[in-house]
Amino acid sequence: EVQLVESGGGLVKPGGFLRLSCTASGFTFSDYSMNWVRQAPGKGLEWVSSISSGSNYIYYADSVQGRFTISRDNARNSLYLQMNSLRAEDTAVYYCARATRLSLDAFDIWGQGTMVTVSS
Amino acid sequence: DIQMTQSPSSLSASVGDRVTITCRASQSISNYLNWYQQKPGKAPKLLIYTASTLQIGVPSRFSGSGSGTDFTLTISSLQPEDFATYYCHQSYTTPWTFGQGTKVEIK
Repeated sequence: EVQLVESGGGLVKPGGFLRLSCTASGFTFSDYSMNWVRQAPGKGLEWVSSISSGSNYIYYADSVQGRFTISRDNARNSLYLQMNSLRAEDTAVYYCARATRLSLDAFDIWGQGTMVTVSS
Repeated sequence: DIQMTQSPSSLSASVGDRVTITCRASQSISNYLNWYQQKPGKAPKLLIYTASTLQIGVPSRFSGSGSGTDFTLTISSLQPEDFATYYCHQSYTTPWTFGQGTKVEIK
């Protein structure tokens, strides 16, 4: 079964840090670009960051540029999001999502999400 | 950044109704437009990609159309399991952006 499973969320104080992980199974992870998308409580979807299959191309939303770092380990079928200098407005469910060139980068597989709460 | 504007933000409809949701991009995105369905507490699910291609496993009552800046998602006959929030998404250029969502509720 094609699957993405996120982990690493939790409660952190403003200014703190967290590292999210996303583990893939059921497909050749190294063939796909990957993304992080977040959703604040009761709000819509916000794209956070993307990384190409070979880590050659990396993009960030302006809202996280300079604070978050996306990375991947294709040998471990894993995607990561290092989040530093966290703010209250970073509170959200964080989803990892696969993108395919076949679908012109639509996000065809999503994880179940991991909750990040930034609060003192 | 490309802004995606959906309308309406919410709608009430009955089972069997035909429902249309529109999405407008602030500049041309060709056919790089995708639609997702999200139910409460669940991850989004891809319904349609490249504006009109149905994702595998998605019922044929869902359809998409449009190109350039104006797009529509149509549900031909609303079913109980279709009550959810729908998002459009442009994958033309980064930053990828989503519409604000359209919540489809039971009348």
